[in-house]
Amino acid sequence: EAGVAQSPRYKIIEKRQSVAFWCNPISGHATLYWYQQILGQGPKLLIQFQNNGVVDDSQLPKDRFSAERLKGVDSTLKIQPAKLEDSAVYLCASSLIPGEELSFGPGTRLTVT
Amino acid sequence: GESVGLHLPTLSVQEGDNSIINCAYSNSASDYFIWYKQESGKGPQFIIDIRSNMDKRQGQRVTVLLNKTVKHLSLQIAATQPGDSAVYFCAENTGGFKTIFGAGTRLFVKA
Repeated sequence: EAGVAQSPRYKIIEKRQSVAFWCNPISGHATLYWYQQILGQGPKLLIQFQNNGVVDDSQLPKDRFSAERLKGVDSTLKIQPAKLEDSAVYLCASSLIPGEELSFGPGTRLTVT
Repeated sequence: GESVGLHLPTLSVQEGDNSIINCAYSNSASDYFIWYKQESGKGPQFIIDIRSNMDKRQGQRVTVLLNKTVKHLSLQIAATQPGDSAVYFCAENTGGFKTIFGAGTRLFVKA
């Protein structure tokens, strides 16, 4: 089966600019996650969707980050405006059962200058 | 333990030896635990999981041990190979939904 797809793979922007990331989960996986991974740390959950509904977004900085999962398949994560501390790898994952055996995409490496 | 910036806990082993990677988890209510492997430039990859009603589970060359009394998890890799070099994360899941990752351990395999 095809894995989780993400684009772009790399993005460099200046602070205060906006950026968007796209994710296509594994077919049939109802649960989709966005994680932020700062260099040298473990992934931190930003938002979790079950189909097109939000299950958990308690750690999403809602003043600048937004995410949607229209039609319960693809998802986009947006940052507007970006800050220097947003430099990280943004990982999308999906799973058949919530919280179990997450399949991760390759991530998008964001650098904010 | 916690890592700061680039200073991940590191384990260095000789090729062919067994590796043991340890993890302390935080929530006594966690009921499902997972080990992930992350190679450079890639997303984490599922290795093995264990539920709280078990204390040991074996896979191919890997074994996970769970000690709920001291909230400790370990991953044992038998006959470690160069391809096992990566960062290993333990993750805990409470109530079947939210997966919380630990800080990670970097495994170096010396040829």
